[in-house]
Amino acid sequence: RKEVEQDPGPFNVPEGATVAFNCTYSNSASQSFFWYRQDCRKEPKLLMSVYSSGNEDGRFTAQLNRASQYISLLIRDSKLSDSATYLCVVKGRAGGTSYGKLTFGQGTILTVHP
Amino acid sequence: ETGVTQTPRHLVMGMTNKKSLKCEQHLGHNAMYWYKQSAKKPLELMFVYNFKEQTENNSVPSRFSPECPNSSHLFLHLHTLQPEDSALYLCASSRGLADEQYFGPGTRLTVT
Repeated sequence: RKEVEQDPGPFNVPEGATVAFNCTYSNSASQSFFWYRQDCRKEPKLLMSVYSSGNEDGRFTAQLNRASQYISLLIRDSKLSDSATYLCVVKGRAGGTSYGKLTFGQGTILTVHP
Repeated sequence: ETGVTQTPRHLVMGMTNKKSLKCEQHLGHNAMYWYKQSAKKPLELMFVYNFKEQTENNSVPSRFSPECPNSSHLFLHLHTLQPEDSALYLCASSRGLADEQYFGPGTRLTVT
């Protein structure tokens, strides 16, 4: 089983649509969770951290369910500029062997069209 | 504007060549990382350095040899690579191991 698993998509949605991405992780000792965004032929950039209480940043909402080892990202009112690959990322716990190590999912491709 | 730079941005090398990738961070960070991103595969951690000391080698073949002379610079020395080593090699840095990692633009490597 992959350490971090995402639906690769691609997701093709019209502008203004709401789209949701899901991610599962296998290591229950994982401590921190993130969504990164990677534009074509560019480096990944942090989009937002994910907390158990859920967090929102404008049109983006991230949720974490530790019991189910499940992470989600919701994008509302999609813009053309949201087209990118969205990477689910998990970080190991402090003091553990994977401390500081980011484990990436393979990414979900999103294309927003006019 | 990224505080992490990588050179060269593109590299084509033969299997018998020796080349080096360079990464420099201008953020005052203490930890630096090498990642590999192959087509259709997740980004994969290769090496971690914290205060110039290697803290992680993710079972990387010896044809990849990292060097961290100081906290601002990280090199990846390449020799006798295989075509399957063709990938995007990304460098990242963070203030500490627990902190957010900032990525450089990457070196796109093609091994012929």
